[in-house]
Amino acid sequence: NAGVTQTPKFRILKIGQSMTLQCTQDMNHNYMYWYRQDPGMGLKLIYYSVGAGITDKGEVPNGYNVSRSTTEDFPLRLELAAPSQTSVYFCASENWTGNTGELFFGEGSRLTVL
Amino acid sequence: AQSVTQLDSQVPVFEEAPVELRCNYSSSVSVYLFWYVQYPNQGLQLLLKYLSGSTLVESINGFEAEFNKSQTSFHLRKPSVHISDTAEYFCAVSGFSGGYNKLIFGAGTRLAVHP
Repeated sequence: NAGVTQTPKFRILKIGQSMTLQCTQDMNHNYMYWYRQDPGMGLKLIYYSVGAGITDKGEVPNGYNVSRSTTEDFPLRLELAAPSQTSVYFCASENWTGNTGELFFGEGSRLTVL
Repeated sequence: AQSVTQLDSQVPVFEEAPVELRCNYSSSVSVYLFWYVQYPNQGLQLLLKYLSGSTLVESINGFEAEFNKSQTSFHLRKPSVHISDTAEYFCAVSGFSGGYNKLIFGAGTRLAVHP
C-alpha cells in the first residue's frame, strides 16, 4: 500500500529555473493538497483540489501552479524559481465525504533555490 | 476564518515526565480539531482528532487531548513520555470556508525528550 508518493525527495534549482513536483496517491481520495513547511511557520496551504478538474488557491499560491487531470495525480509546478521558494513541500490527500477526515501525507520534497 | 496558536515552539522534558503541549484556536463556526505528529525526515501523520461527542480523545500511544469550547483550547498531554516521542507536533483546525473544507495548521511544537 503506497499511499501518497512524492518525487523528487531532494532538488536544487538555480534562480529562474522551472520544475514540477510530482504527487500521486493510490487511495482514490477526492481531496488533494500541497503545503510548504518553513521552520517555525508550520504548514502553509499552497493549492488544493476537491476532485479531478477542480483546483483552487490556498494561502500562499504565488509562484506556483497545479493541475488535477486525474484523481490520482496532483503535480505542483514552479515556473520561475526564487530563493523564497526554498522549503519542504508536502503533498497530502483526504477522503472527504461530508465529515472531515484524516489527511495522508507524503514524505516531502526538499527544494533549495540558489 | 479559523486560526491556530501553539503557545510553545519548543518543549524539553526528561523521559518518564509528564508533558503538555498547548493549542488555542479561533473560529466563527463549528470546528474539528486535530493533532498531527512529524518524526524526523517524515511527513505528518494523524495522532488524534476531535469531531464530536466526548471532549476527551486518546491516541493509541498514550497521548490525550481535551476539547475545551469555553477556552477555545485543545491541549495535548501525556502522563509519561518516552525518548521515541521526540518529534514535532502540530495542532490543526478544520472548518468549512469558501465552500470547501480546509485544514489550518499551527506553527508546531518541537518536543525533545531527554534521558
